[in-house]
Amino acid sequence: NAGVTQTPKFQVLKTGQSMTLQCAQDMNHNSMYWYRQDPGMGLRLIYYSASEGTTDKGEVPNGYNVSRLNKREFSLRLESAAPSQTSVYFCASSLGLAEYNEQFFGPGTRLTVL
Amino acid sequence: GNSVTQMEGPVTLSEEAFLTINCTYTATGYPSLFWYVQYPGEGLQLLLKATKADDKGSNKGFEATYRKETTSFHLEKGSVQVSDSAVYFCALRSNTGNQFYFGTGTSLTVIP
Repeated sequence: NAGVTQTPKFQVLKTGQSMTLQCAQDMNHNSMYWYRQDPGMGLRLIYYSASEGTTDKGEVPNGYNVSRLNKREFSLRLESAAPSQTSVYFCASSLGLAEYNEQFFGPGTRLTVL
Repeated sequence: GNSVTQMEGPVTLSEEAFLTINCTYTATGYPSLFWYVQYPGEGLQLLLKATKADDKGSNKGFEATYRKETTSFHLEKGSVQVSDSAVYFCALRSNTGNQFYFGTGTSLTVIP
């Protein structure tokens, strides 16, 4: 099992460009999440999908959109990138929403917006 | 609401020293508590978890006990190794919501 995979690993964008970060999991998990990690701020939830066909905003959704393409895949789109979106982005999945279900994380995407 | 507070780092220890990283929480409902570890350039990995009060999670020599009376989940290891150098995150997940709540992370460096 590959677990949670993310592409690309690194990306450099210019302000105003758009891009989509891809995430896939092969653990048959129902719930998937997108976080950003910034120095001194821990992880902040951008969007999550409790189950296939549903998405909800997290703590910092502005400037992002998501698509739960199917049970395996959950993509994050930046429509018009801004320097404030320079960060490391992590995708995660969990079996479900029960409080005892841990999250499994991908390796991350390092995004720089110039 | 839900939140996690963990001790600020960085923490630098000599090999074989005792490690404690403090974590306290506030939560609605009955949360589960987690410790994750992040090695340089990688994603977070679950280190241990505890799902109810007085449970002890343990893995790879690390331990943490879910203390409801003090709302704490402190991470401990009796003898750290250089390979334990990483960033450690405390997290909670409440049974009243869908989200995880993470602390800001504590960076640990173990020197030979």
